[in-house]
Amino acid sequence: SYELTQPPSVSVSPGQTARITCSGDALPKQYAYWYQQKPGQAPVLVIYKDSERPSGIPERFSGSSSGTTVTLTISGVQAEDEADYYCQSADSSGTQDVFGTGTKVTVL
Amino acid sequence: EVQLVESGGGLVQPGGSLRLSCAASGFTFSSYWMHWVRQAPGKGLVWVSRINSDGSSTSYADSVKGRFTISRDNAKNTLYLQMNSLRAEDTAVYYCARAGVTIFGVAMGFDYWGQGTLVTVSS
Repeated sequence: SYELTQPPSVSVSPGQTARITCSGDALPKQYAYWYQQKPGQAPVLVIYKDSERPSGIPERFSGSSSGTTVTLTISGVQAEDEADYYCQSADSSGTQDVFGTGTKVTVL
Repeated sequence: EVQLVESGGGLVQPGGSLRLSCAASGFTFSSYWMHWVRQAPGKGLVWVSRINSDGSSTSYADSVKGRFTISRDNAKNTLYLQMNSLRAEDTAVYYCARAGVTIFGVAMGFDYWGQGTLVTVSS
């Protein structure tokens, strides 16, 4: 079955930039979405359609796409950004959705 | 205000069945595709199933195909997940999520989520 691969963890100091990658063969064909999940809470959508930001999401969250890799960038990281982040997309046929393996962002 | 409230979780023995419900409010339920997503304790998110707006089309993850059935009742604004032949590895928090769409018809991903219901499969 189709898989999306993310690094297990990313560590960043406050005010610096965190970049989280997500790799998958179908990403040139399918849009990617990003979710933030804090302990004990439901996920929150932070990026849709590779790079669009839903209303209410801070401007420091941005997304980009290049070939088989999409990237979530958090600029000027704040302590409140410490969370797990998941990419999500679909297989090449659009039949099945899939989540990435998840990345834990630690703010030092 | 959009609300999704799951119910029906609990403890069930291996091989047993359970039906989850997701009550929706605050939006036109019949206009949106809906999904189930699960998360085993301490693990990542896993997509489980989806259903289109009128219930005529469904899709499943390979791990649950043939055992789980997604359905909806648009008159009751409720999404369901019938889970049969349950296994220990099905133990997870189950979330229902709405597949959002912009005013221009662009897919937004899962823009609203419930708080989840815990399913524990154990003898």
